[in-house]
Order: sequence, then structure tokens, then C-alpha cells
Amino acid sequence: GAGVSQSPSNKVTEKGKDVELRCDPISGHTALYWYRQSLGQGLEFLIYFQGNSAPDKSGLPSDRFSAERTGGSVSTLTIQRTQQEDSAVYLCASSTYNEQFFGPGTRLTVL
Amino acid sequence: KQEVTQIPAALSVPEGENLVLNCSFTDSAIYNLQWFRQDPGKGLTSLLLIQSSQREQTSGRLNASLDKSSGRSTLYIAASQPGDSATYLCAVLTGANSKLTFGKGITLSVRP
Repeated sequence: GAGVSQSPSNKVTEKGKDVELRCDPISGHTALYWYRQSLGQGLEFLIYFQGNSAPDKSGLPSDRFSAERTGGSVSTLTIQRTQQEDSAVYLCASSTYNEQFFGPGTRLTVL
Repeated sequence: KQEVTQIPAALSVPEGENLVLNCSFTDSAIYNLQWFRQDPGKGLTSLLLIQSSQREQTSGRLNASLDKSSGRSTLYIAASQPGDSATYLCAVLTGANSKLTFGKGITLSVRP
């Protein structure tokens, strides 16, 4: 079956612009997670969805970051007014029985 | 706060060697532990998941063990091959439907 997909695979943007990153989870997975992987920082949790609700947003680094999930499926992570420190790989995972399956990631570069 | 440590950060071995990758975590109250593989520029591939009540899991040449009380897990790779070259990440789930806390990974290079 299809795994977790993310788009775009690469995104280059200018400082100050807004970006949207998309995640399509595995069909039927109710739990969805966003993580960020930066050089030297490792993998950091951003936000967790259960269905369309986000009971844990504790990892979002600032109010420039937001995420939503619609129909219990697709999720979008939005970064407003991007900064150079936002450059990273953004990974999405969906979960069943508490095993997480990851997508290929979106590499974001802010110039 | 849960912290996960993987040492060393990098490892280079000749092909055919059996090797052990170590992972330690500070809070033993975990729900499960996952080992992942990451190839350069790619996402994470789940290798093995060990529930908190289990001691080990095996898949092919891979065997992962868990000692929850001492906060340790090991990933054993038998008869290593150049295709095993990748970064191996350990991650713990502290509670059901909670976030994974990751180690920084061990970058493995298997020399032909």
C-alpha cells in the first residue's frame, strides 16, 4: 500500500515569504505528526494531530508556525515570514498502534 | 524530560563484521522504542519496534534488544554489508499517542 507522501520534496524561498508544506498520511491512520530535522539539532517534534484536533502543539518554535488537518487526512504545515533558521527538512509521520511511519520529507531552504 | 543518547556518532567497519549500535534513554517509563534507518537525503525507514513489555525483536540480520530498567537498547547487525551504510536512529515513545524523542543517530559506514 501507499506510504506517507509529502510535497513538495524541495522548496527554496526568500526570507520573509510564507510557505505551505503538505502531508498525506497512510489511509486510515488517525494520528499524524510533524517533525523537523536540522543540522546539528537532530529530529525535533513540532505538532501532533489525532483526527483533526491537535492535542499537542508544544514543539512549534514560534507563532509563525501553524498546522491544520482536514477530514482526518491531509495536513498542511504553514510557516509565515520565513527566516533563515527555518531551513531544515520537515518530516511527517502517521501512526497506527503507536508505530510511526515517516514520509520522505520536504527540504526547505530559506535564502 | 526524556533524553536519548547514541554513542558514537559515527562508526566505520569492514564488510562481514557483526556490530552493535547502542542507545540509552533517561526516563525508563517508555511505551515503546523504535529503530530507524535514514539514507542520505531520504526519510526514515522503520526497522524494528519493541514494546515496553518485550525484551527483543528480530528481522532478518537485525536484532534489537531492550532493557527498560537500565534505559538501554542495542541494535545488532549480523554480517554487515556495504548496503547497510546509513544513519541509524533510536527513538522512544514516552506514552501512547505521544511524540517520539530521538537520539542524534549513528552514521555507519561498511567498507567493502
